[in-house]
Amino acid sequence: ETGVTQSPTHLIKTRGQQVTLRCSSQSGHNTVSWYQQALGQGPQFIFQYYREEENGRGNFPPRFSGLQFPNYSSELNVNALELDDSALYLCASSLGLAGGQETQYFGPGTRLLVL
Amino acid sequence: GENVEQHPSTLSVQEGDSAVIKCTYSDSASNYFPWYKQELGKRPQLIIDIRSNVGEKKDQRIAVTLNKTAKHFSLHITETQPEDSAVYFCAGPNAGGTSYGKLTFGQGTILTVHP
Repeated sequence: ETGVTQSPTHLIKTRGQQVTLRCSSQSGHNTVSWYQQALGQGPQFIFQYYREEENGRGNFPPRFSGLQFPNYSSELNVNALELDDSALYLCASSLGLAGGQETQYFGPGTRLLVL
Repeated sequence: GENVEQHPSTLSVQEGDSAVIKCTYSDSASNYFPWYKQELGKRPQLIIDIRSNVGEKKDQRIAVTLNKTAKHFSLHITETQPEDSAVYFCAGPNAGGTSYGKLTFGQGTILTVHP
């Protein structure tokens, strides 16, 4: 196992609600990336946090937001949930030194279902 | 940004045969290429990665080759076993821009190894 943990493991919400997902990075890592994985597809990059600052963002609307804390754990917040937000949300932990070549280790994911 | 194409989408082999999965990428600045294995309901697990200063890397039954001129890289699994059955994803990074450090994943290959 990678040492990356996520909570909760499963979540059911209704359209319009808000959700917060949490990720604890591997010991010694300072970078957390978030990905959305729809059923049958590869993970899609949402954003990355490096030393508490957003360090890049994919093609996701502003209702997807995040935070990184001084201990490098991170939160993903999604407002105004839509049915298409139903997916597995993965966080990946890495040590941000090598200019984008860092190995990313994934957590077990949070499976979100929006009804 | 990076675009990663992965083929084939499904691959069925007999136990003991070899399996090869190929990916092409678009960003010539990409310099890091990981491969992940994802079993049903589990996290993507890094199985091997390669950086652009080498053309091949091997770890027991798994090898990855990289052709930077042609912008493609391949995963080779020899002596396949039923426990190799999973979805395999290739990925390439963005080396800069607004999505620094993100991974762009291929569409995935469902590998089935028949006993």
